[in-house]
Amino acid sequence: DSGVTQTPKHLITATGQRVTLRCSPRSGDLSVYWYQQSLDQGLQFLIQYYNGEERAKGNILERFSAQQFPDLHSELNLSSLELGDSALYFCASSVEGQNNEQFFGPGTRLTVL
Amino acid sequence: GESVGLHLPTLSVQEGDNSIINCAYSNSASDYFIWYKQESGKGPQFIIDIRSNMDKRQGQRVTVLLNKTVKHLSLQIAATQPGDSAVYFCAETLTNDYKLSFGAGTTVTVRA
Repeated sequence: DSGVTQTPKHLITATGQRVTLRCSPRSGDLSVYWYQQSLDQGLQFLIQYYNGEERAKGNILERFSAQQFPDLHSELNLSSLELGDSALYFCASSVEGQNNEQFFGPGTRLTVL
Repeated sequence: GESVGLHLPTLSVQEGDNSIINCAYSNSASDYFIWYKQESGKGPQFIIDIRSNMDKRQGQRVTVLLNKTVKHLSLQIAATQPGDSAVYFCAETLTNDYKLSFGAGTTVTVRA
């Protein structure tokens, strides 16, 4: 158990809908990262927050957004969902904001029908 | 057993044998590398890391080798066990960067 929690574990929804994925980092970790894992793209970095502020952006679509709250938990919002958004979404956390070991949560499996 | 780069994404190894998983990383400026293990239904789990000022680092039953000249990273697992069956990813990043760039992954299957 990495200490990172994610909810929900599974999510099934329809195209065009909007969902919110939630992540609680390890106690004491200030940095949260979101990754998408799909069969054709592998593990792709989406976005990172450090102590409430956006720190880095990767291959994140404009339909996707994230935020980190004062209690350091983070949410990833996915809107106008398409079939291709079906994937595993992982959250990771680390103590600092850069170049540190990242601890991954168990992921949320999103299925868009 | 030994895999070659990202073109052979699967590796089958006999229990008790040593495994070698290879990774060709993409950015010659990368200076921090990590190996992750992902078991079915779980998130990636840190195995071992190495910084670019080192060529070799050993952990418990695992050794990571770094060859910066050819941008090659390998993970050696000694006395492979059934619990080692998983997908193994290498990841690279730069000091002062924030994101990890992952390789495609190698699926390791341990034969009893």
